[in-house]
Amino acid sequence: EAGVTQSPTHLIKTRGQQVTLRCSPISGHTSVYWYQQALGLGLQFLLWYDEGEERNRGNFPPRFSGRQFPNYSSELNVNALELEDSALYLCASTLVLYEQYFGPGTRLTVT
Amino acid sequence: DQQVKQNSPSLSVQEGRISILNCDYTNSMFDYFLWYKKYPAEGPTFLISISSIKDKNEDGRFTVFLNKSAKHLSLHIVPSQPGDSAVYFCAASVGQGGKLIFGQGTELSVKP
Repeated sequence: EAGVTQSPTHLIKTRGQQVTLRCSPISGHTSVYWYQQALGLGLQFLLWYDEGEERNRGNFPPRFSGRQFPNYSSELNVNALELEDSALYLCASTLVLYEQYFGPGTRLTVT
Repeated sequence: DQQVKQNSPSLSVQEGRISILNCDYTNSMFDYFLWYKKYPAEGPTFLISISSIKDKNEDGRFTVFLNKSAKHLSLHIVPSQPGDSAVYFCAASVGQGGKLIFGQGTELSVKP
């Protein structure tokens, strides 16, 4: 069974640009979660999508947004990039209740 | 407000000995706790979990203990192996399907 996949693996953007990250959940999972792990910090919850709807969002500004498609894949969009947005962005999906399974992440560097 | 805390940023253990990783939480509404293992540049890997109605859960070399009165969670790895060297995160959740709140992580190093 394929795990959670994310693309791209790495990308470099300049301040002020916009970026879109993509995630495909494990087959059969309907919930997708996005987390940010900045350098030296723990994982911070960003967004939760379930059945195409945004269910919850973390303490991040509105320039962080996303959506979930009918096939349950998801996109995370970040507008007006700032240097502090440089981080590993992780996507997860659920198989058994609370247990979230993570993808390999997308490393975003903002210069 | 850090609701989940791992106060030890690092831990070094000899191969074959027990590794004990600790986690404290402040929110008494948490009803599910999880441990994840993470290698650099990879996503976290789910290890083991425990419901708040239990005080112990075992899976092979991994055992998680929950002390609700102390709001304390621990992960025991016995015996420790060099391949266990990674960053370990504890996480907590309120309600089914909700977000996970993570601690800052503890880097475990198992020496041969």
